Amino acid sequence: ILNVEQSPQSLHVQEGDSTNFTCSFPSSNFYALHWYRWETAKSPEALFVMTLNGDEKKKGRISATLNTKEGYSYLYIKGSQPEDSATYLCASSSNTGKLIFGQGTTLQVKP
Amino acid sequence: DGGITQSPKYLFRKEGQNVTLSCEQNLNHDAMYWYRQDPGQGLRLIYYSQIVNDFQKGDIAEGYSVSREKKESFPLTVTSAQKNPTAFYLCASSLDRGFYGYTFGSGTRLTVV
Repeated sequence: ILNVEQSPQSLHVQEGDSTNFTCSFPSSNFYALHWYRWETAKSPEALFVMTLNGDEKKKGRISATLNTKEGYSYLYIKGSQPEDSATYLCASSSNTGKLIFGQGTTLQVKP
Repeated sequence: DGGITQSPKYLFRKEGQNVTLSCEQNLNHDAMYWYRQDPGQGLRLIYYSQIVNDFQKGDIAEGYSVSREKKESFPLTVTSAQKNPTAFYLCASSLDRGFYGYTFGSGTRLTVV
């Protein structure tokens, strides 16, 4: 994998559904994996930064896991709420420090 | 409150005109970045600067120019040489060259008519 890729590109769920997204990234020269949440008309907001294989992070109903050996990360949202509607960006940083972003997953949660 | 300010939020320009987008931060961050977003694509790096008076081209620098005369400021000029300037532009900064993530501005939407 040469680029950071996210799937799916968009997702529509009902309130209360749990959902997950995938981020694939190059495993060579890997330093950290970043998740951001980007609401319309606002700045992207950092959710998690993970560096170690097997890392798991949690913030409220949102959690993320990291597999650096195979180059993927999952973001989980438990019991989605309308306020979770946003674009979720994943980015990988290498030993240069620069972030390479995926194209994002846009989540729409219907009440 | 510390943060990054991008101005203006919306900008309209005629084709062939240069336009400068402002990005100011009061976070005392050393590194600053400019990204461009187009529909269905990820953020693409235009230019970045890790210290004052120094900057490097990103992946899509053609048709753009920057300056970094002050730590707080990293303006981006979209020149008439940029073939498809209409896009959403996002500025970011980081304390540690980006290893632990960025702080973002809220963006400028440029429309060239």
